[in-house]
Amino acid sequence: GAVVSQHPSWVICKSGTSVKIECRSLDFQATTMFWYRQFPKQSLMLMATSNEGSKATYEQGVEKDKFLINHASLTLSTLTVTSAHPEDSSFYICTASQGLMETQYFGPGTRLLVL
Amino acid sequence: RKEVEQDPGPFNVPEGATVAFNCTYSNSASQSFFWYRQDCRKEPKLLMSVYSSGNEDGRFTAQLNRASQYISLLIRDSKLSDSATYLCVVTLNTGFQKLVFGTGTRLLVSP
Repeated sequence: GAVVSQHPSWVICKSGTSVKIECRSLDFQATTMFWYRQFPKQSLMLMATSNEGSKATYEQGVEKDKFLINHASLTLSTLTVTSAHPEDSSFYICTASQGLMETQYFGPGTRLLVL
Repeated sequence: RKEVEQDPGPFNVPEGATVAFNCTYSNSASQSFFWYRQDCRKEPKLLMSVYSSGNEDGRFTAQLNRASQYISLLIRDSKLSDSATYLCVVTLNTGFQKLVFGTGTRLLVSP
């Protein structure tokens, strides 16, 4: 149980394009999903928290207009990196939970490379 | 100052060795504590929770010292498959359970 998937697992795109990453909870309803990113040799850093049907809450320093998060259903959240630049290249990981204080289950991550 | 500090390593040990990792955290309001394992290019996977009373899971022993804000992980009889990065994680209640990750300690177990 508690399986979370992400798609795509990796993506290469040109600078200036937008990239959408999907996070799905496959066998449970995720009222809350979290988005993290991890740069090489650095720790995972929380980018934003999203609750189903509500606007996402972004961590300090994360541009909400650049990283668009949609959590329209209890099983799907999407992160869109708009006008991607090489410095956005990173490992993006989502987690899903059944509540704000509940256990977070990790997706397998999406590796983004912006050329 | 980082919220969770770890020695990045790498720790190079032979099979069968015992190795210990340490971690310190800065926020005394931290509520829960964990060790995660992360393999190269993969997501973190929960290894074990950490309690003040100490807990053991097979070859792995974890300990929390709240007074010193210090967490440890001991791995006995290291296996090649233990090679990975070990992440120290604490949680903060900021209206939700926020996971705060250390940068990890890399372990390389050699034959």
